[in-house]
Amino acid sequence: AQSVTQPDIHITVSEGASLELRCNYSYGATPYLFWYVQSPGQGLQLLLKYFSGDTLVQGIKGFEAEFKRSQSSFNLRKPSVHWSDAAEYFCAVGGYNKLIFGAGTRLAVHP
Amino acid sequence: DAEITQSPRHKITETGRQVTLACHQTWNHNNMFWYRQDLGHGLRLIHYSYGVQDTNKGEVSDGYSVSRSNTEDLPLTLESAASSQTSVYFCASSPAVGQGKSYEQYFGPGTRLTVT
Repeated sequence: AQSVTQPDIHITVSEGASLELRCNYSYGATPYLFWYVQSPGQGLQLLLKYFSGDTLVQGIKGFEAEFKRSQSSFNLRKPSVHWSDAAEYFCAVGGYNKLIFGAGTRLAVHP
Repeated sequence: DAEITQSPRHKITETGRQVTLACHQTWNHNNMFWYRQDLGHGLRLIHYSYGVQDTNKGEVSDGYSVSRSNTEDLPLTLESAASSQTSVYFCASSPAVGQGKSYEQYFGPGTRLTVT
């Protein structure tokens, strides 16, 4: 079955600290992988995506993610978190024109 | 600039009433999707369409219907609203394979629906 697991429901970090949000997927074919961010009361915004090629992808707002096929993972990272990064983050895996989303990780940032 | 809009942004309705949520996109995307977002579940797919006159059921389609009469619009109808349908609803669109950046979905701002 196709699925996406985000093991951490809530994460709290201090401003300036590094961040890693975990994402594991189950997918029968070569996956297309995405990270979206949702600020309170807003829609989802695409942070970055992986289709093929270099397994380390760069996104907007200083985020990056690494695709590890052997671990079925696509973890999101940021070296130094800003207070404005507080939001909910969704990992998604796609096939032909459809996406499956994880349940999300809510990030809180302490000053 | 191209965009995707949803209306209304907030809606309160009573159990048993028919409700229609509008979604309009100016990206000229073939693919359109409706999701509901509930705490602990992320986004779950309700219905989707790959083009005019095409509609398909997603994982949580019971009690919902859609129709696609043009490229720009995919209205979502709740035939007889139930309290279990209280949720935030998101519309999204994406280009079809060959249309551009495949698979990348663009989301609207959401509609918060409360069924009392």
